[in-house]
Amino acid sequence: KAGVTQTPRYLIKTRGQQVTLSCSPISGHRSVSWYQQTPGQGLQFLFEYFSETQRNKGNFPGRFSGRQFSNSRSEMNVSTLELGDSALYLCASSLEGSSGYTFGSGTRLTVV
Amino acid sequence: ILNVEQSPQSLHVQEGDSTNFTCSFPSSNFYALHWYRWETAKSPEALFVMTLNGDEKKKGRISATLNTKEGYSYLYIKGSQPEDSATYLCARLSGTYKYIFGTGTRLKVLA
Repeated sequence: KAGVTQTPRYLIKTRGQQVTLSCSPISGHRSVSWYQQTPGQGLQFLFEYFSETQRNKGNFPGRFSGRQFSNSRSEMNVSTLELGDSALYLCASSLEGSSGYTFGSGTRLTVV
Repeated sequence: ILNVEQSPQSLHVQEGDSTNFTCSFPSSNFYALHWYRWETAKSPEALFVMTLNGDEKKKGRISATLNTKEGYSYLYIKGSQPEDSATYLCARLSGTYKYIFGTGTRLKVLA
């Protein structure tokens, strides 16, 4: 079966712009989580969606938002980009949120 | 322990050596612990899902143990091979559907 698909793979944006990242989970997986990884940091939890509802949220500013569609695909949006938002953004899907993740390949965002 | 901590941060071993590393986590309100292997330029890959105190899991030359009372898990690799070179991450399920990841142990196996 197809894995978790994240698009785009690479992105370069200018400070102040906004960006939308997309994640298509494994078929049948209803939980989608987003993580940010920056150099020297572990994976930092952004949010988790299940059946179109945000069930949990990490400690990120309101500039970071997300949503999930009825087909379980999820998008993450970052508005008013800052240089510190440059990171690898990983999406992970699971059956119901506690059964282990399958990760996508990530989107590498660079803010200049 | 408030966060998930992994040690060592990195290590180099010779091919054929056995090695182990530690994941320490808060022992209260434990739900599950996951181990992942993350090779460079790839996605993190699930190794083990551990839920019960005393759990032992094995996958080929890699095994893991779990002690939820004292808040630690060990990952063992027997007879390390160059293809085992990767960052090994542990993640504790904290509360509901929120995982806290450690910063990982970066393993380099020298041929």
